[in-house]
Amino acid sequence: AQKVTQAQTEISVVEKEDVTLDCVYETRDTTYYLFWYKQPPSGELVFLIRRNSFDEQNEISGRYSWNFQKSTSSFNFTITASQVVDSAVYFCALSEMSGNNNAGNMLTFGGGTRLMVKP
Amino acid sequence: EAGVAQSPRYKIIEKRQSVAFWCNPISGHATLYWYQQILGQGPKLLIQFQNNGVVDDSQLPKDRFSAERLKGVDSTLKIQPAKLEDSAVYLCASSFGTQETQYFGPGTRLLVL
Repeated sequence: AQKVTQAQTEISVVEKEDVTLDCVYETRDTTYYLFWYKQPPSGELVFLIRRNSFDEQNEISGRYSWNFQKSTSSFNFTITASQVVDSAVYFCALSEMSGNNNAGNMLTFGGGTRLMVKP
Repeated sequence: EAGVAQSPRYKIIEKRQSVAFWCNPISGHATLYWYQQILGQGPKLLIQFQNNGVVDDSQLPKDRFSAERLKGVDSTLKIQPAKLEDSAVYLCASSFGTQETQYFGPGTRLLVL
């Protein structure tokens, strides 16, 4: 069974600080996708990134960066120079790719990390 | 490109009443999902459609929840009768295919009194 753990339930930082959100996952599959979504107070889940299990290259997109390490089953997310607009709940999620292609793609979410960025 | 649309955005009902939520996916997306998100938790999949067929409804409480996607586009999720523990946000998502990224709608916040 697949499982995603986000140990940090809440993080508070001051604007311009860097912050890292941790994500640890469990899966028996060798092929899977990992995701990060942002959920602002409006409630909509906003897609940030998808990474497949064969690609361990770190990725940077503006102030966002992701560190994927299969050896520790982690997919951490760093925001550099945080801003008030980054305040939201962030979810890490896992999707296994094996088995029936039509039944695939069920997302298993972690419990989320609430990030508060204070001015 | 228009995103996933959901209505209503908010709904308050009393227990034992029925309620229905509507979802219109992104144009061209064959796969549609309904998730339940209880306050303070991550979303949990209720049901997945591929076109107008059900792919996975193993976590749908079928004694009170039902969903349909008759023409393979819009979908409706119904709860009848509602219980207090059904208070949650109901999120609809769609993807181009079963292995593609899911994009979410704004959700419907349900409060059962």
